[in-house]
Amino acid sequence: AQRVTQPEKLLSVFKGAPVELKCNYSYSGSPELFWYVQYSRQRLQLLLRHISRESIKGFTADLNKGETSFHLKKPFAQEEDSAMYYCALSGPDSGAGSYQLTFGKGTKLSVIP
Amino acid sequence: DVKVTQSSRYLVKRTGEKVFLECVQDMDHENMFWYRQDPGLGLRLIYFSYDVKMKEKGDIPEGYSVSREKKERFSLILESASTNQTSMYLCATAGPAYSYEQYFGPGTRLTVT
Repeated sequence: AQRVTQPEKLLSVFKGAPVELKCNYSYSGSPELFWYVQYSRQRLQLLLRHISRESIKGFTADLNKGETSFHLKKPFAQEEDSAMYYCALSGPDSGAGSYQLTFGKGTKLSVIP
Repeated sequence: DVKVTQSSRYLVKRTGEKVFLECVQDMDHENMFWYRQDPGLGLRLIYFSYDVKMKEKGDIPEGYSVSREKKERFSLILESASTNQTSMYLCATAGPAYSYEQYFGPGTRLTVT
């Protein structure tokens, strides 16, 4: 069974400090991995996906298949980064609807001014 | 831009009432999903649908049912609301075969008293 683990419920960092939100997954094949973000009073939205290998709002995430990790990183945190972050996984084994996503429990990032 | 709307932002119902939550999308997406979002538990899939009149159980379907009579509309039904169904309910859609990205609605915060 596939599983996504985000070990930190809450992460507090000072503005300007580096940020790393951890995500580990359990999946037997080649998964698609995503980070979703939910800012206060806004809807959940896609932040980035591993397949596009892009940087969004200064965030990057590298898929490490050896460590089965997909950590989200940003070199200098900004106050506007404060939000709830979810790591999610999808793959051919995701069930009858291969568009299913398995979400982690989320990490709340708080950037202290 | 994908637009996913949910019928109510806030809803208060009494125990035992039948509750309907409606989701409408305007992007002609085949796949639609209902999640509940609870602090510390992340997003949990209740039901999803990959076509009109088709539905599949997610991880926590007990106490819920769904209806998809039209492609753009996916309804979540609580047959007899209970206090443990107090939660934030999120609807999402996903479309093209090459994209696993899900687009979320604003959510309905349901309180059952």
